[in-house]
Amino acid sequence: DTGVSQDPRHKITKRGQNVTFRCDPISEHNRLYWYRQTLGQGPEFLTYFQNEAQLEKSRLLSDRFSAERPKGSFSTLEIQRTEQGDSAMYLCASSIQPDNEQFFGPGTRLTVL
Amino acid sequence: AQSVTQPDIHITVSEGASLELRCNYSYGATPYLFWYVQSPGQGLQLLLKYFSGDTLVQGIKGFEAEFKRSQSSFNLRKPSVHWSDAAEYFCAVGPPSGGYQKVTFGTGTKLQVIP
Repeated sequence: DTGVSQDPRHKITKRGQNVTFRCDPISEHNRLYWYRQTLGQGPEFLTYFQNEAQLEKSRLLSDRFSAERPKGSFSTLEIQRTEQGDSAMYLCASSIQPDNEQFFGPGTRLTVL
Repeated sequence: AQSVTQPDIHITVSEGASLELRCNYSYGATPYLFWYVQSPGQGLQLLLKYFSGDTLVQGIKGFEAEFKRSQSSFNLRKPSVHWSDAAEYFCAVGPPSGGYQKVTFGTGTKLQVIP
């Protein structure tokens, strides 16, 4: 296993369109995290899964955002009706309980025109 | 609430010179502390972490960090910087073990290395 992978690496969309990102964690990792990173800022926590259960969502995750991890393996993050303010790098990370070292993927850079 | 402050937005050092990146945290107890590095357009790579024990932590790529409880600091150091160290560095804090680990990141310090 080569680490956390994310797809696509880049996405350009028009305002109002829906987008979906995928994250494949390290295979034995049961914890998965989504972060958003804007220019000049550190990553901001969005949501966390333990296996298939979504255990916490940040206030940053508006109703237009939804994340799933249906079988406790890969995860998807969907943004509906995108806005220009959604432009950011979306990072996925995974870890294995009880260790709390998070391994990050390369990120998906979203540009909303 | 936990928070991390990285007071230096941008630092420039000469290749071969020593480096110290500052990090101060706010947390109610002894947290888990991390330093990550991010190259342009890339994800984050863990340089080192502190959980407990020896307050001087060794990491990858010749980096080390020292936890100072009295100063709520976890500064990153390297004795001799290489041009390949140019990147953005993030300090992060997370709660002690138990439950999941929500990590809070600082705003980062961008390191420029000049010949």
